[in-house]
Amino acid sequence: EIVLTQSPGTLSLSPGEKGTLSCRASQSVSNIYLAWYQQRPGQAPRLLIYDTSRRATGIPDRFSGSGSGTHFTLTITRLEPEDFAMYFCQLYSNSLTFGQGTKVEI
Amino acid sequence: QVQLQESGPGLVKPSETLSLTCTVSGGSISSYYWSWIRQPAGKRLEWIGRIYTSGSTNYNPSLNSRVTMSLNTSTNQFSLKLTSVTAADTAVYYCAGEEGYNEPFDYWGQGTLVTVSS
Repeated sequence: EIVLTQSPGTLSLSPGEKGTLSCRASQSVSNIYLAWYQQRPGQAPRLLIYDTSRRATGIPDRFSGSGSGTHFTLTITRLEPEDFAMYFCQLYSNSLTFGQGTKVEI
Repeated sequence: QVQLQESGPGLVKPSETLSLTCTVSGGSISSYYWSWIRQPAGKRLEWIGRIYTSGSTNYNPSLNSRVTMSLNTSTNQFSLKLTSVTAADTAVYYCAGEEGYNEPFDYWGQGTLVTVSS
């Protein structure tokens, strides 16, 4: 089973700053099966990025994804107040697993 | 816009069966893949299984022997049954939908907390 490990566990930033979140896979994975989600407290997760770098419908362009092989990154430029939330990565190939999450806090 | 809502008991006794239902609104339950996902407090999300409108299912091997999923197209609902529960099954349970097999989860319910305790 492929394990996804996210870092850091918590990212402390200020509005307007840039955030870089990491997701590492225990073995090489196909780019087309990596997604990122945002979850605000008490809300359902929301799909942000799929296929490593494609933004989901309605997601602002300050969110971007990149990576390949075993290392993937979610970048949030110019953090807005509503971006302070939990983020987790997901592999959705035959091995369907999630990272443990990164909390972006003020 | 497709919306999902979980429902079911919030408290289940050890060794009994956990039963949850997800109601799909704003769209047809057909033509999508539907999953159950859970998250114990402080732990990562865990995929439980998926069902398609045809009734075909895939389950997480770690839970396979205890999981049954079903779907009712006339009521736009799908369901989860998890047998022989223990405290380790205490979690927030989400229903979620994919537009295709091996696709990301486009749709999520709000989640429902199920506690296993006597």
